[in-house]
Amino acid sequence: EVQLVESGGGLVQPGGSLRLSCAASGFTFSTYWMYWVRQAPGKGLVWVSHINRDGSSTSYADSVKGRFTTSRDNAKNTLYLQMNSLRPDDTALYYCARGLGATSGEGDYWGQGTLVTVSS
Amino acid sequence: DIQMTQSPSSLSASVGDTVTITCRASQGIGNDLGWYQQKPGKAPKRLIYAASGLQSGVPSRFSGSGSGTEFTLTISSLQPEDFATYYCLQHNSYPWTFGQGTKVEIK
Repeated sequence: EVQLVESGGGLVQPGGSLRLSCAASGFTFSTYWMYWVRQAPGKGLVWVSHINRDGSSTSYADSVKGRFTTSRDNAKNTLYLQMNSLRPDDTALYYCARGLGATSGEGDYWGQGTLVTVSS
Repeated sequence: DIQMTQSPSSLSASVGDTVTITCRASQGIGNDLGWYQQKPGKAPKRLIYAASGLQSGVPSRFSGSGSGTEFTLTISSLQPEDFATYYCLQHNSYPWTFGQGTKVEIK
């Protein structure tokens, strides 16, 4: 069974940093592109980032570019999101996901999300 | 960046109704679009891939159409479990972008 479990969220002051983790199991992690998506309380979904299979290629939403970094450790089956220079508008539930850009019937898989609150 | 304009932002409908949700892309994206359903407190789930492909296990009352810049999600014979928020996601070029969402409520 495919499982994605996020962790690392919490309360952080503006300007601070946080690193989110997403532990993957039930599939061969190294063969899949992975994604981060966030959702502010009561708001819509926002695509944040992607990373390719070996970590050599990433991309980011304009709102986080230069502040967030996505990486992965395929030996540990774990995806990361390093978040620096955090702002109140980064407050959101952060999901990791697999299979978002599928062009075939391959399923999409999401974690339960981890909540990041940026406040003084 | 490609902007996705989704409409309406909300709608009220009755069980058995047919509802249509539209996403317009600011530039052509071929058929690189998926439709997602999200229920309160839950992660999203994809219903439609490649604009019109029905995800396995999704009821056939859900259908998608369109290509280029205009896309439609249709729910025929709305069921109680379909009351949720729906999003489109373009994955043609980075940064990928979601539509703003459409909340389908019970009339």
